[in-house]
Amino acid sequence: GIQVEQSPPDLILQEGANSTLRCNFSDSVNNLQWFHQNPWGQLINLFYIPSGTKQNGRLSATTVATERYSLLYISSSQTTDSGVYFCAQGGSEKLVFGKGTKLTVNP
Amino acid sequence: DAGVTQSPTHLIKTRGQQVTLRCSPKSGHDTVSWYQQALGQGPQFIFQYYEEEERQRGNFPDRFSGHQFPNYSSELNVNALLLGDSALYLCASSWGGGLQPQHFGDGTRLSIL
Repeated sequence: GIQVEQSPPDLILQEGANSTLRCNFSDSVNNLQWFHQNPWGQLINLFYIPSGTKQNGRLSATTVATERYSLLYISSSQTTDSGVYFCAQGGSEKLVFGKGTKLTVNP
Repeated sequence: DAGVTQSPTHLIKTRGQQVTLRCSPKSGHDTVSWYQQALGQGPQFIFQYYEEEERQRGNFPDRFSGHQFPNYSSELNVNALLLGDSALYLCASSWGGGLQPQHFGDGTRLSIL
């Protein structure tokens, strides 16, 4: 089945720092999404990005489908960026999630 | 534009009981998927409903069942609850049955005593 691996598992930053989160997936991608789960458990859509590059404010994402990886960039991090970042890959129905990257941004 | 809504937000049950969780999809969406998220893990796919039928099922026992209504809302039922069923249950909606981004509700946190 589809396998999704995320790295690093944990990341601690000082406010204002930049970071890159990586997602490797095992199958050809039809649907690739990045989510942020905040400390209250809400899973928030960041990007739907089966290929190419997208930007939304301080966040951007790139998926290279031919090499089966996706990157999430966070610039000028803020304490509100803390939480767990998941990538998920899907076929026609289900999404398969990685184990997440837990990000802690210290003031 | 209402997003995905789930009820209840929290629930406490005891072993052996049965539970029903509810989900209303985002406006314009017709497909509902359910996921279980244990503490410290990523969400795991339970099943997906489209056109009132179960389209695909993950690796969950028959104790987990669901339903989709004509207005696209959905229910997740779990029978004979086990301690291991304690988790955050997330509902996601999308349009057209797949290959569209899924949008998640805030979840129902189920605790089994």
